[in-house]
Order: sequence, then structure tokens, then C-alpha cells
Amino acid sequence: DAGVIQSPRHEVTEMGQEVTLRCKPISGHNSLFWYRQTMMRGLELLIYFNNNVPIDDSGMPEDRFSAKMPNASFSTLKIQPSEPRDSAVYFCALKGVGTEAFFGQGTRLTVV
Amino acid sequence: SQELEQSPQSLIVQEGKNLTINCTSSKTLYGLYWYKQKYGEGLIFLMMLQKGGEEKSHEKITAKLDEKKQQSSLHITASQPSHAGIYLCGAYRGSNYQLIWGAGTKLIIKP
Repeated sequence: DAGVIQSPRHEVTEMGQEVTLRCKPISGHNSLFWYRQTMMRGLELLIYFNNNVPIDDSGMPEDRFSAKMPNASFSTLKIQPSEPRDSAVYFCALKGVGTEAFFGQGTRLTVV
Repeated sequence: SQELEQSPQSLIVQEGKNLTINCTSSKTLYGLYWYKQKYGEGLIFLMMLQKGGEEKSHEKITAKLDEKKQQSSLHITASQPSHAGIYLCGAYRGSNYQLIWGAGTKLIIKP
């Protein structure tokens, strides 16, 4: 079990505000995913980092979304400005020793 | 339509009964992952199947991979309330990081 801490667990914000979601692997990992889960679209990969470098960001919806991984122990996903359609559960996940992914508890974002 | 189709979409089962969830792929399966999700929580990795005919078990949950049918089944024996949740299957497509996901099967266990 890799262990991933996400914060905050819940976020309610007004449309137009900036939102920053955080992910902290308990032990440093160099492969990290950000996913978004909605009822309509299920689980979607937003971005994948390897060795702290974004390898595939084709899933990032728009320029309003940005992600960083400054080191193996921390990553952020930022939405600026936020919109109601961004409401979803956002997950950070790490790649295990094999090919499986280990997920954090998620951040439930509500944009009103 | 989704590349990975799960059936049924939802399932209500009496506690103690057996059940099966299926995941069918529209393309060749080279490996398949099963996860479980409880409401408001993250996905918990259950097991990974890589070879045709492979079968793995974790406590009372058994999963099989049928490469010819491009299908995997997850079987729960003597279901318990702790088995309730959403079961998702995932498979890699074209890369070693891009997991494609099924829509999930919601399992409710009636006491």
C-alpha cells in the first residue's frame, strides 16, 4: 500500500475562484496520476507525471487546469477560474511496484 | 459505447448469497485490474490478471480472465455487508500508464 494523502477532502467554492488540490505521497514516488470522477463520465485521467515530469497532460480539460509536481513528495492540481462543471471528485494515484495504481481518498469539489 | 462494459450496472444481493460481475472489452485484453470503491473514498486495488485463464483470489473474491472472450469475471462467495460498494475494472491501452475504466457495478448487500 503506497499511501497517498490528499487535501482538502472536501472543497466548496464559488464560481470564478481559484482552487488548489494537493497530493502528498507518504513515501516519495516518481509516478503520479491525477484523475477526475463524475457520474456522467466516470474516471478520467487528467495528467500523468513520471520522475516529476508531466508525460501526458492530454486529459487536462482546458487551460484553466494546471498541475505541478515539484518533487517526489508533493503535487498540486489548480483550477483557475473554477466553473460549476468542474464539480467532481479528484483523485491522486501512485503507480505501484508492478503496474497497478494506488489511489488517495480523493477531494470532492463543489463549485457553486 | 465504452471500451470496457461492466454488467450488471447495479446488483442487490441477499447477504450470504454468491454473485458475479462481468467486465467485457471491445478490444484484446492484455491485462485487467479490479478495484473496489466505497462511497466518498478512493479506489482500493483488489487484483490484477495478466494471462488468459488466470484466476486469482482475495479472501472471498475470485477473479478470472478469459482472453478469448475478452472478458473478466469477479465472483464473490457468501457475500457480506463489507462487500458492498462499487466495483470497477480497468485495462491498459496503448501505454503503460493510461488505464481505461469500466463504468462500475454498484453492489448492495441486503442483511
